[in-house]
Amino acid sequence: NAGVTQTPKFQVLKTGQSMTLQCAQDMNHNSMYWYRQDPGMGLRLIYYSASEGTTDKGEVPNGYNVSRLNKREFSLRLESAAPSQTSVYFCASRGAGPSPLHFGNGTRLTVT
Amino acid sequence: QKEVEQNSGPLSVPEGAIASLNCTYSDRGSQSFFWYRQYSGKSPELIMFIYSNGDKEDGRFTAQLNKASQYVSLLIRDSQPSDSATYLCASPGSGGSNYKLTFGKGTLLTVNP
Repeated sequence: NAGVTQTPKFQVLKTGQSMTLQCAQDMNHNSMYWYRQDPGMGLRLIYYSASEGTTDKGEVPNGYNVSRLNKREFSLRLESAAPSQTSVYFCASRGAGPSPLHFGNGTRLTVT
Repeated sequence: QKEVEQNSGPLSVPEGAIASLNCTYSDRGSQSFFWYRQYSGKSPELIMFIYSNGDKEDGRFTAQLNKASQYVSLLIRDSQPSDSATYLCASPGSGGSNYKLTFGKGTLLTVNP
């Protein structure tokens, strides 16, 4: 099983460009998440989807949009990238109840 | 704002020693806690979870939960250089927000040979 798969692994954007980060999970999990991780800031929740058809803002949603395409896929879109969005982005999924997050391998994004 | 706080370290211990990592939380209703290990440049991986007061042991790792004092800790016995990593504490909190797993900022552990 692949678990949680993120693409791409690396991306460089110029300020103002747009892009979509893709995430898919094959564990039949209901909940999916997007986090960003910056030095000294820990993991911060951008958006999450508790179940197919729902999405909610996390701690740092500004500048991002998400789409829960189906139960497996949850994408994160940057409409107009800014240098402040330079970060490592992690997608994660979670099963029912008090279960842990399963993370993808991350996307390292640089915005110049 | 539900918070999870960790002593940021860095924590340095000699090989073979016990490493003690601590985490406090503000949501008194929190029921479950997770410890993740993250090697540099890698994604977090789950190493322990605990739901009940007391201790939970898994090999060299012991998680301790004290709900009255609102802290959870991770002990690593016989520390090895391969344990050098950042350790993250996380909790989903309580009530309607328990879909959102809140992470501490992590403690960097270095085990010296």
